[in-house]
Amino acid sequence: DAGVIQSPRHEVTEMGQEVTLRCKPISGHNSLFWYRQTMMRGLELLIYFNNNVPIDDSGMPEDRFSAKMPNASFSTLKIQPSEPRDSAVYFCASRTGGGTEAFFGQGTRLTVV
Amino acid sequence: GQSLEQPSEVTAVEGAIVQINCTYQTSGFYGLSWYQQHDGGAPTFLSYNALDGLEETGRFSSFLSRSDSYGYLLLQELQMKDSASYFCAVYGGATNKLIFGTGTLLAVQP
Repeated sequence: DAGVIQSPRHEVTEMGQEVTLRCKPISGHNSLFWYRQTMMRGLELLIYFNNNVPIDDSGMPEDRFSAKMPNASFSTLKIQPSEPRDSAVYFCASRTGGGTEAFFGQGTRLTVV
Repeated sequence: GQSLEQPSEVTAVEGAIVQINCTYQTSGFYGLSWYQQHDGGAPTFLSYNALDGLEETGRFSSFLSRSDSYGYLLLQELQMKDSASYFCAVYGGATNKLIFGTGTLLAVQP
């Protein structure tokens, strides 16, 4: 398997623009996590899906952030409108239902100018 | 809520042994994991403890004490390539979500 695939790897956008980050989990994994990593706040869990259903979105910072998982092989994280403070590395991770290991994608480095 | 505390930085020399501690507060605890992250890379899984005691995987060992809400990662025979950030993480809360600690930056010196 190719692992968790995220796109794009890098994104530079202007403040106010919409940004969409994409994630393809490992086939057969039914849990998917979105994290944001910054120096100040570390690795923050944004949202967690199980069997394509959002289980916990308590980490989503505000209404500008939304996430979807329309099927088992694809998820998106959208920021609209984007702000400079959203600049961070965004990671997607997946795991099997009974598994203990979360597999991370290579991340999307987002810069909002 | 959930919180995990780790030292921010640790320095050690090649060949030495280092221990990285983690204390946690969470409801509905399921297990403690450790992840390694090299600069610019993705976190990668090292170990998982659900029960009290020591788990050994090669040069790395991980310990858990559920009664003390405490665990540690032990790295032996340190190598330069072990220089990285190390995160403890818990599965917990009502939704069994995976929450990460603040991370410990390990610098291995020659």
